[in-house]
Amino acid sequence: EVQLVESGGGLVQPGGSLRLSCVAYGYTFTDYWMSWVRQAPGKGLEWVANIKQDGSEKHFVDSVKGRFTISRDNAKNSLFLQMGTLRPEDTAIYFCARGPHLGDAFDIWGQGTLVTVAS
Amino acid sequence: QSALTQPASVSGSLGQSITISCTGSYSGVGGYDFVSWYQQHPGRAPKLIIYRISNRPSGVSDRFSGSKSGNTASLTISGLQAEDEAQYYCNSYTSSGPWVFGGGTKLTVL
Repeated sequence: EVQLVESGGGLVQPGGSLRLSCVAYGYTFTDYWMSWVRQAPGKGLEWVANIKQDGSEKHFVDSVKGRFTISRDNAKNSLFLQMGTLRPEDTAIYFCARGPHLGDAFDIWGQGTLVTVAS
Repeated sequence: QSALTQPASVSGSLGQSITISCTGSYSGVGGYDFVSWYQQHPGRAPKLIIYRISNRPSGVSDRFSGSKSGNTASLTISGLQAEDEAQYYCNSYTSSGPWVFGGGTKLTVL
């Protein structure tokens, strides 16, 4: 079964750091771009970052540039989001998603991991 | 980043059809054919229901259809069913974004 499983969320103080992980199952990980999308409590979806199959190209939403990095370990079918200098407005459920694919769509999603930034 | 504008809410009766609009700019919806739609039930992950404006992934009901005219993409759901009640989001690649979601539309099935 094709699935994505995130982990690493939790409570962190403002200014702190956190590393999210996502493991892919059931498909050839190296065939696809991978992305992180977040959803603040009660709010809509916000694309955060994505990375090309070989890690050679990365993109970020303006609000996280310089604070977040995205990486992948293709040998372990894993995607990572290193989050630094966290702010309360980064509080959200972070979803790992396969894509952009199929004409720039995100076709497989994980269940999400909650990140709470608070003192 | 560019903004995609969706109505906050729409409603329709069982069996009827509804349409949700998604309006962007030329650098987004108007300039590219990369518009996708997602359905999200409360507490669940989003699910892709339309990609590249009007294509359905395998397993998605043909009651869902998509289209685009100028800077506005649209999602139409025909034969409304109770399980269609959910939040719906559009997404578009943009030259400045580069990937932007709309604010979401809550569909209520009466």
